[in-house]
Amino acid sequence: EADIYQTPRYLVIGTGKKITLECSQTMGHDKMYWYQQDPGMELHLIHYSYGVNSTEKGDLSSESTVSRIRTEHFPLTLESARPSHTSQYLCASSEHRGRAETQYFGPGTRLLVL
Amino acid sequence: GENVEQHPSTLSVQEGDSAVIKCTYSDSASNYFPWYKQELGKGPQLIIDIRSNVGEKKDQRIAVTLNKTAKHFSLHITETQPEDSAVYFCAASRAQGAQKLVFGQGTRLTINP
Repeated sequence: EADIYQTPRYLVIGTGKKITLECSQTMGHDKMYWYQQDPGMELHLIHYSYGVNSTEKGDLSSESTVSRIRTEHFPLTLESARPSHTSQYLCASSEHRGRAETQYFGPGTRLLVL
Repeated sequence: GENVEQHPSTLSVQEGDSAVIKCTYSDSASNYFPWYKQELGKGPQLIIDIRSNVGEKKDQRIAVTLNKTAKHFSLHITETQPEDSAVYFCAASRAQGAQKLVFGQGTRLTINP
């Protein structure tokens, strides 16, 4: 069982509000990821990090930003939420051992922007 | 970059029968192929994975086969049970470079009692 947590689990918010989705893991993993998952099921990588002070944009363009100040924490921020940001956001982490490693996912945050 | 295609998008089988989900990938340098199961309201969970130095791997009722020459891999679930109903994702990654997982589109598996 992976120890990776996301809060809030559900969020309903109005257009223009700033929001931060929290993700934390207690496994000491160096790598962390954010995915966006639409109702059509497909998972799209929007941000990733290889360690503290490392952040990269993923394959799907996103207006969100991320930070990695501590190993265990990888928050995602939307400065001004819009209805097009409505989606499920999944956080994941993995070890960095020089080869492709298993990614462990959190339970997700389901965001609805009105 | 890598592209992973997954079929079918939906699959319905009778309880006790077998289910097979297939994926193809494009990057011949990919060498890590995990399968994830996502239940309603939860994040994806790893159920089995295979690396390119192995052709087949089995864990109880679940098995994965890999054909590197043809660049495809498959998930086999035998003696299906109602709790196998979920969305399944395949993925591919290479050991070098960014080591990002590229996911297939997902298969919604329904087990009919």
